Amino acid sequence: EVNLLESGGGLVQPGGSLRLTCAGSGFIFRSYAMSWVRQAPGKGLEWVSDISGDGYKTYTADSVRGRFTISRDNSKNTLSFQMNNLRAEDTAVYYCARKPGSRGDPAFFDSWGQGTVVIVSS
Amino acid sequence: ETVMTQSPATLSVSPGETVTLSCRASQSISSSLAWYQQKPGQAPRLLIQFASTRATGIPARFSGSGSGTEFTLTISSLQSEDFGVYFCQQYHSWPPLTFGGGTKVEIK
Repeated sequence: EVNLLESGGGLVQPGGSLRLTCAGSGFIFRSYAMSWVRQAPGKGLEWVSDISGDGYKTYTADSVRGRFTISRDNSKNTLSFQMNNLRAEDTAVYYCARKPGSRGDPAFFDSWGQGTVVIVSS
Repeated sequence: ETVMTQSPATLSVSPGETVTLSCRASQSISSSLAWYQQKPGQAPRLLIQFASTRATGIPARFSGSGSGTEFTLTISSLQSEDFGVYFCQQYHSWPPLTFGGGTKVEIK
């Protein structure tokens, strides 16, 4: 069974940093591209960032480019998201999600974690 | 950026009814469309990929159709566990991958 477990969320002041982690199990982690998708309170879903299975290709939404960095460690089956210079509008539930295939091509999300909450507030 | 628009925002329905949800793309996305269901406090769940192919384990009462810019999700004989918010997502042109704003299906 595919399992994705996020951690690292919390309350942070504007301008601060957080590092999110997603642990994958139940599948060959390196064979799948992975993504971060966020959902602000009471709002819809927003794609934030992608990384290919080998980690060489990354894509990031304009809203966070230059502040957030996606990475992965296939030896540990973990996906990471370094978030710097956080803003109030980054407050959201952050989900890691799996895409079918490893190349990082545009695709849907076939498995999701339960999410981790990030609150940016003073 | 391809903008996805869902309608209506809310549907009030009774169990056993058939409902149709709409999703429109601002430009042609061929059949590169997915539908998700989200219940309160839970992560989204993939229902449909490639506009009309049910994901693994999804009941046959869920069906998707459409191509180009107009898409529909039909839920036949709505069950109590089907209430929640439904999102469409395009994966034809990116970045970014984009979602619709969602349709909430609630109990009448």
